Amino acid sequence: AQSVTQLDSHVSVSEGTPVLLRCNYSSSYSPSLFWYVQHPNKGLQLLLKYTSAATLVKGINGFEAEFKKSETSFHLTKPSAHMSDAAEYFCVVSDPGANNLFFGTGTRLTVIP
Amino acid sequence: EPEVTQTPSHQVTQMGQEVILRCVPISNHLYFYWYRQILGQKVEFLVSFYNNEISEKSEIFDDQFSVERPDGSNFTLKIRSTKLEDSAMYFCASSAVGTRNTEAFFGQGTRLTVV
Repeated sequence: AQSVTQLDSHVSVSEGTPVLLRCNYSSSYSPSLFWYVQHPNKGLQLLLKYTSAATLVKGINGFEAEFKKSETSFHLTKPSAHMSDAAEYFCVVSDPGANNLFFGTGTRLTVIP
Repeated sequence: EPEVTQTPSHQVTQMGQEVILRCVPISNHLYFYWYRQILGQKVEFLVSFYNNEISEKSEIFDDQFSVERPDGSNFTLKIRSTKLEDSAMYFCASSAVGTRNTEAFFGQGTRLTVV
């Protein structure tokens, strides 16, 4: 069965410092993995996706994530946080043959000026 | 940029009433979805719809729920007799192909409050 664990419900960083949002997944197959971001009163926006190509995936707004099969992880990183990065971030998994997405519980990122 | 739009943004309804949530997916997409997020909980899959029929549904999607694509552009979620526990944010999404290989585009959500 597929599942996603986001280890931190809330992460707080200072502007200009690195961001690390952690995600571990459980899947019986080779999954597709996604990171979505939700700004207040906005819909869910795709940041990046992994679909069995390069293990280091670059997304929008300077974010990237690395798929590590041995660690069953897909952590999201950004070298330097910006105030506009403050939002809720969801790690999401989709299995082969599945036509639905399994969401993590989300991590709220706060950026301190 | 094309987007998924949902109406209304907020719906308040009395327990036992029927409610219809509306969505306009991206025009050339073929797969449509409803998800919900109860306050403080994770986003949960409800149903996927392809080729004018339900392709998958979760345990949450019981006989009280139905979906329809009445006119080739709108995609609706109906809850026949709302319960207090149906209060949640409901997200519509669409994708060009199945979500295994491509992203789903989400709307901004409809907040349903059952009183």
